[in-house]
Parts: sequence; C-alpha cells; structure tokens
Amino acid sequence: QQQVKQSPQSLIVQKGGISIINCAYENTAFDYFPWYQQFPGKGPALLIAIRPDVSEKKEGRFTISFNKSAKQFSLHIMDSQPGDSATYFCAASRTSGYSTLTFGKGTMLLVSP
Amino acid sequence: GAVVSQHPSWVICKSGTSVKIECRSLDFQATTMFWYRQFPKQSLMLMATSNEGSKATYEQGVEKDKFLINHASLTLSTLTVTSAHPEDSSFYICSARDSETSGSYEQYFGPGTRLTVT
Repeated sequence: QQQVKQSPQSLIVQKGGISIINCAYENTAFDYFPWYQQFPGKGPALLIAIRPDVSEKKEGRFTISFNKSAKQFSLHIMDSQPGDSATYFCAASRTSGYSTLTFGKGTMLLVSP
Repeated sequence: GAVVSQHPSWVICKSGTSVKIECRSLDFQATTMFWYRQFPKQSLMLMATSNEGSKATYEQGVEKDKFLINHASLTLSTLTVTSAHPEDSSFYICSARDSETSGSYEQYFGPGTRLTVT
C-alpha cells in the first residue's frame, strides 16, 4: 500500500529529445506527488509537484502528467539537455495529518551530447 | 527562499566515536524535520521524523539509541551517530517542512553529509 514504483531504472536520451519517467502508486490516500532531481553528492531538489485535482502541470521544460484512475504519474523533460543528467525520484504523500514522503527507487538519466 | 543547510558536508571519524550532524532551515521555521539515509545508487530511506520540542519518531529498524535526534528550535535539528561503525558510513540528508506557510507540505532538502567511519 505504501509503495511507489518507478521506471525505468536508467535512461539514456539524446540531447534535444524527450525524457519520460513513470511512477505508479498504490495508496489512494496519497494526494501530493513531487518529483526531485538529485546530482551526485548533493541533496535532492524539488523539481515540480502535482495534486490530483489536475491532470497535468507544466513548468518550463518539465511536465507532470497525472492519471488518477490508473494511479500513475509521469515526468516529461522536453528538449533534454546534458545538464539534466541526474537521478530523478518520484514521491508521494498525504497532505493531511502525519505524513511522510514515500520515494520511488530513482531513475538515472543520462543525456548524451 | 526555502533553504536548508547541513553541517558538516563531509566528515571522517574513527570507529567507536560519535559524530553530530546539524540541519538548519535558513529562511523559514520548521516544526518538522526529517532525517534520511542514502546508500550509493539507492533511494532515500527515511530514518526518523523530528518534531520541535518533542521526541523524534523513528522508522522501523532504526536504532534510536544509536541515532540520537534533537530538534531544540524551529530552525535546527541535529543527528548524532553514536559509537559509529564502518557500516554507518553513508550519505545523511535532512529535510524540513515549512511550518509558517499555512497548508504547506513541501519538504526542502539539505545538501547532505557524507559520513565515513574508518
């Protein structure tokens, strides 16, 4: 019930291409879905997040698509750049009460020049 | 805004000694802070939730007597690894939740502390 499954484990995309990372959750009580970007030796940084009241959220080159009925959400990175090479984690939590983030296992993205 | 710092960023200690890691929210107050542990090429593992003025809540399997957490103010939480052993070597990351903004639930992460126990 608490798992968040993330795929793929690793991804290689050419510069200018679209990177797509998928996550699926089980707990229907989750209502907050953030994505974090982490560079080697650094802490994760909040990239973009979505609530279930919308099906898509876009910030610059980053878009979250959310499918409540399928309990899935995905991150799309448009026009991927070498500087986007990092590990991406999806997460989920409840916004009410005592709540902690449940993380996916992460996706290592490499954008080739 | 929403900056979280950690100190030190990197520490080496000898087996059997204790080491303290500080986590500070620099521009907001944080009633709740979280401590994570991350092994190479793995996800973040929540160790404990730190609440200002009260005892920390530890996740199952985390030894509370080994990993002492103190959240003495709204901007500072500390993690002390006591009697450290080589298997405690890891990347420790804290995060903080903004308690000043009503309804805020985002967690902001610190830059992490690399602990190496020799």
